[in-house]
Amino acid sequence: GENVEQHPSTLSVQEGDSAVIKCTYSDSASNYFPWYKQELGKRPQLIIDIRSNVGEKKDQRIAVTLNKTAKHFSLHITETQPEDSAVYFCAASIVHFNKFYFGSGTKLNVKP
Amino acid sequence: SQTIHQWPATLVQPVGSPLSLECTVEGTSNPNLYWYRQAAGRGLQLLFYSVGIGQISSEVPQNLSASRPQDRQFILSSKKLLLSDSGFYLCAWGTGTVNTEAFFGQGTRLTVV
Repeated sequence: GENVEQHPSTLSVQEGDSAVIKCTYSDSASNYFPWYKQELGKRPQLIIDIRSNVGEKKDQRIAVTLNKTAKHFSLHITETQPEDSAVYFCAASIVHFNKFYFGSGTKLNVKP
Repeated sequence: SQTIHQWPATLVQPVGSPLSLECTVEGTSNPNLYWYRQAAGRGLQLLFYSVGIGQISSEVPQNLSASRPQDRQFILSSKKLLLSDSGFYLCAWGTGTVNTEAFFGQGTRLTVV
């Protein structure tokens, strides 16, 4: 199956700074890449996603970029706020099969 | 709107005891259903997925099994729990079509003692 690797495992930034989380995937057939945010003890929730026919997508302070050739994608959070503190997961899936493979997660800590 | 229910929220079970976690989805038909496990400080590992009643695929060999007796019901089971089965179990559903997002249940924190 697909193998998704995520870095870094922990990230600490000062409020207002930017945060970048990077993921790589192994299966070139993967064509859908969602990012989830999980607050402590809660369920993961989708924050942004990107399809393989798009190189970049932005939603307010959050953006995701995808490099299909290199098989990596990244999450960018600008102007970080303390409420951005959580664990972030990247995932890859093949739409037709609808199986989601997740990275190991990044614990983001935004210091006020 | 669609909702997903998962229970119980927490569970403490002795080694060797059986397990049954239940998940139900409302507001949609023929969803794809998934069981994930999240070990402490780790990512989400796909355990089982199902595209229809009675259709179960296992991703990794393990001490667990899954069943889908009804269209919107997904059950995770074990006959004899191991210490290594401890973790946070998440049920999820997806449409498998244009909107391919996976929606997660609240999760069950299982501690095997």
